[in-house]
Amino acid sequence: EVQVVESGGGLVQPGGSLRLSCAASGFTFSDHYMDWVRQAPGRGLEWVGRIRNKAKSYATEYAASVKGRFTISRDDSKNSLYLQMNSLTTEDTAVYYCGRGVSVSGRTWVDPWGQGTLVTVSS
Amino acid sequence: DIQLTQSPSFLSASVGDRVTITCRASQGISSYLAWYQQKPGKAPKLLIYAASTLQSGVPSRFSGSGSGTEFTLTVSSLQPEDFATYYCQHLNSYPFTFGGGTKVGIK
Repeated sequence: EVQVVESGGGLVQPGGSLRLSCAASGFTFSDHYMDWVRQAPGRGLEWVGRIRNKAKSYATEYAASVKGRFTISRDDSKNSLYLQMNSLTTEDTAVYYCGRGVSVSGRTWVDPWGQGTLVTVSS
Repeated sequence: DIQLTQSPSFLSASVGDRVTITCRASQGISSYLAWYQQKPGKAPKLLIYAASTLQSGVPSRFSGSGSGTEFTLTVSSLQPEDFATYYCQHLNSYPFTFGGGTKVGIK
């Protein structure tokens, strides 16, 4: 069964840092692009960023709202994806989801998403 | 950045109803559009990709259509498990964005 499981969420003060992890299983992790999205309480979905696979040099893309503060990385030997979040503000409070990219029809769609991990930024 | 506008934001319907949700893009995105279903406290679930391709395991009562700037998600006969929030997302160019969502409630 294809599965991705996020961890590492919690309470952090404004200006602080947090690192989220995403453990993948049931598929060849190293072949796939991976995405992060987030959802603030009671709000809609917001795309955070993407990391490509080794064949594409692990290149990354970010939303403007997190660029320069967040860094996506991966460790293919551990089947793990990471989201390093720095300079956090209350606007970053959200459930963070990781998802597996699947390349079909000229694009890389995301399925499945994990169950998410909650990040709360508050003093 | 490309903006996606979903309509309506909320709709109430009954079991067995035909439901249509619209997603409009601020510029042409070819067919690079996905539809997701999300239930409270759960992860988004991919229903449709490439505007009209049904993801494996998704019931055939779901269908998608459109290209360019206007897209629709249709549920031909609403079932109790379909009451949820639906989002469109474009993957035409970075940054990817989502529509604001459409909540389908019980009439």
